[in-house]
Amino acid sequence: GESVGLHLPTLSVQEGDNSIINCAYSNSASDYFIWYKQESGKGPQFIIDIRSNMDKRQGQRVTVLLNKTVKHLSLQIAATQPGDSAVYFCAENAGGTSYGKLTFGQGTILTVHP
Amino acid sequence: NAGVTQTPKFQVLKTGQSMTLQCAQDMNHEYMSWYRQDPGMGLRLIHYSVGAGITDQGEVPNGYNVSRSTTEDFPLRLLSAAPSQTSVYFCASSYSANQGQPQHFGDGTRLSIL
Repeated sequence: GESVGLHLPTLSVQEGDNSIINCAYSNSASDYFIWYKQESGKGPQFIIDIRSNMDKRQGQRVTVLLNKTVKHLSLQIAATQPGDSAVYFCAENAGGTSYGKLTFGQGTILTVHP
Repeated sequence: NAGVTQTPKFQVLKTGQSMTLQCAQDMNHEYMSWYRQDPGMGLRLIHYSVGAGITDQGEVPNGYNVSRSTTEDFPLRLLSAAPSQTSVYFCASSYSANQGQPQHFGDGTRLSIL
């Protein structure tokens, strides 16, 4: 998994497996979190978001879990496909007067093998 | 609806040269921002704007200027390029500056300073 401030980890899975990408955040004041997918040569693409008043949110094949007690965020991808191969970033918004300022983690490289 | 458009896609500069990276969005978004992405790192916020005529500094503003004369455009200016500014630059926008708004990114400008 990744942590805001640590080196870029990697995750390698087989097609059809479920993937779990982790993110630890440090700012206990953060109240909005986003997962982005970035393919080579492209900008980050929004996947799913979650607010701090929620523990879980589901999208199409993706689920985000938030554990505020231990300041941990995870992205679960069901039935991972080769097209899911990319770098995944978590980002947090510290709230208050931070407007839309996001603090990004350093990313996790997901490789899906056919 | 093109989303967030960045130009140019690639640029090589010599140390000391100046240039402007262009960013335009056609979604009538209030909030726009510039990030830089360096190898093995997440995105870092350079400058942001919560609306036309309003800009503010992010995490790494030194060496960069911005202006926001219209809702659509948010150019980033390098006044005197330095090798340390070699990076990939991403522009992003969101509907408002309120919390809980996912930001949408362009595909980046890859800038090399020799």
